[in-house]
Amino acid sequence: DAKTTQPPSMDCAEGRAANLPCNHSTISGNEYVYWYRQIHSQGPQYIIHGLKNNETNEMASLIITEDRKSSTLILPHATLRDTAVYYCIVRLLQYSSASKIIFGSGTRLSIRP
Amino acid sequence: SAVISQKPSRDICQRGTSLTIQCQVDSQVTMMFWYRQQPGQSLTLIATANQGSEATYESGFVIDKFPISRPNLTFSTLTVSNMSPEDSSIYLCSVDRTGSSYNEQFFGPGTRLTVL
Repeated sequence: DAKTTQPPSMDCAEGRAANLPCNHSTISGNEYVYWYRQIHSQGPQYIIHGLKNNETNEMASLIITEDRKSSTLILPHATLRDTAVYYCIVRLLQYSSASKIIFGSGTRLSIRP
Repeated sequence: SAVISQKPSRDICQRGTSLTIQCQVDSQVTMMFWYRQQPGQSLTLIATANQGSEATYESGFVIDKFPISRPNLTFSTLTVSNMSPEDSSIYLCSVDRTGSSYNEQFFGPGTRLTVL
């Protein structure tokens, strides 16, 4: 079973920041938070990951609470191309047979013009 | 990054037949994963395929229905056997990037299967 819970859908105005929440209250100490997104009819695409510190890359920022029980993915300036289903996942960092990705239901993000 | 291709990209099949889906990666990878995505649903892991060993199936999936081959480090096949309309889904192949400092999993474009 997926170890994360996300709202089923959200919407955001184009050009505004999109903040996608995720709860992972049972995360263990050696598990990382990963975010993927799936644009319609394509395979999922990696966005970002983190352990306990906030992370930022060219696509997004990841804010993880101090207790690590929840996180927020931030798309700073949402565009219509960001319309997708966003999946929050917890998994081990190092490659192992236990690090398979189990997908939850995700959040369907709609960007309105 | 890893470039993954799948064949066929889509197919329409008759009930009771079988379809083999191919997954080709442009670099050697240890683990390959097969997922199913039913219409309007999230991805469900079918099995993990290691080169040189039997695939490991998730609960609810069995080898007789979804036999998997993994002959080398760049290729795998998934067969959907004795198909029924309930098998209509997108089937996706996925790999972990070998040698990376962290697990970044790449996904193929998927095979859209319709069973009549």
